[in-house]
Amino acid sequence: EAEVAQSPRYKITEKSQAVAFWCDPISGHATLYWYRQILGQGPELLVQFQDESVVDDSQLPKDRFSAERLKGVDSTLKIQPAELGDSAMYLCASSGGLSNEQYFGPGTRLTVT
Amino acid sequence: QKEVEQNSGPLSVPEGAIASLNCTYSDRGSQSFFWYRQYSGKSPELIMSIYSNGDKEDGRFTAQLNKASQYVSLLIRDSQPSDSATYLCLSGNTPLVFGKGTRLSVIA
Repeated sequence: EAEVAQSPRYKITEKSQAVAFWCDPISGHATLYWYRQILGQGPELLVQFQDESVVDDSQLPKDRFSAERLKGVDSTLKIQPAELGDSAMYLCASSGGLSNEQYFGPGTRLTVT
Repeated sequence: QKEVEQNSGPLSVPEGAIASLNCTYSDRGSQSFFWYRQYSGKSPELIMSIYSNGDKEDGRFTAQLNKASQYVSLLIRDSQPSDSATYLCLSGNTPLVFGKGTRLSVIA
């Protein structure tokens, strides 16, 4: 069964350092999403791509976060510099076709010390 | 600002009972809704999608949508301890918004 791949699964970094997450969507899925989920909350959309174009990045803290999907397939989310408040689960999801059903990867648990 | 509201719970039901999970939304233009199950420390898993008024059934799960009341629900029949998880409601139209989730506990 096709799955969304994410790496790393866990990341511990010190504040002010740079950190990057990678996501490979289900093959053929044109839409890719990055979410941040803080414990006890629902996922919050950071950025949505349609192929290589950004559809929605209104909630992305652009002073420190960046995201790219250069070839319209896999994607990287970067934080620089990391802050203590960035500790969270970072989730990637993808969808294809008309249904907009999103399928999530396993996530990256980030701890900033 | 678009909002999706869920009772955080916990909702406790005995094994074999029907669990009823509810979600209200503020954007009348929302056309699609999704229910996800999330076990502790894991990522969300899609259970059901619903796009039109009425009921949609899939196995033990039934999603209900009432656009006039801006209300979407998920019923789980014959609840099992393995159903114990947090259930998230997603309004699927831009902007994408998840509720905070309802924690369900099924007691054996």
